[in-house]
Amino acid sequence: DIVMTQGALPNPVPSGESASITCQSSKSLLHSNGKTYLNWYLQRPGQSPQLLIYWMSTRASGVSDRFSGSGSGTDFTLKISSVEAEDVGVYYCQQFLEYPLTFGSGTKLEIK
Amino acid sequence: QVQLKESGPGLVQPSQTLSLTCTVSGFSLMDYSVHWVRQPPGKGLEWMGRMKYDGDTYYNSALKSRLSISRDTSKSQVFLKMNSLQTEDTAIYYCTRDNSIWGQGTLVTVSS
Repeated sequence: DIVMTQGALPNPVPSGESASITCQSSKSLLHSNGKTYLNWYLQRPGQSPQLLIYWMSTRASGVSDRFSGSGSGTDFTLKISSVEAEDVGVYYCQQFLEYPLTFGSGTKLEIK
Repeated sequence: QVQLKESGPGLVQPSQTLSLTCTVSGFSLMDYSVHWVRQPPGKGLEWMGRMKYDGDTYYNSALKSRLSISRDTSKSQVFLKMNSLQTEDTAIYYCTRDNSIWGQGTLVTVSS
């Protein structure tokens, strides 16, 4: 199985500052078709996960442009520019290159 | 409007079988895949398996011996059955359309 490893944030993050969440995969998620099979989700307290980013860097419909995804085949970053109160929650990366689909353990964001 | 809604018993006895239903609306099960994901209280996300749009299924190998996913396209429903439940199967169970749109989840507690 592909192992997804997420980094921690230096919480709490001051409102208005930027925050970067890292994720590393045990195998390259770059397919021969040129696409990278990585999703990012936000799970707000008490809610279901919400898809933020797919194909490593494409924002899902309705997602603020404060969220951006980048990376290589095995190292990925979700950047949140100018964090707001509504960004509080746990962020997960997920690979969908191979079954079983696997998630990172989550990165919690708190706002000051 | 695309929606998914999970339903099932909130409480299951140890060693018994869990049966959950995911009722979808706003799309056809013959056009999109539906996945099941679970989340133990306070923990991360675990992908369980998927029903592909063509009726093919794939399971997490860690659960494969206990898990079965089926569907009734005429009723727009996907079913999850998992046997030999233990306390560690206590979790919120989600169904998702291609991991992009998620249901609200249903809490299943395994306890005598």
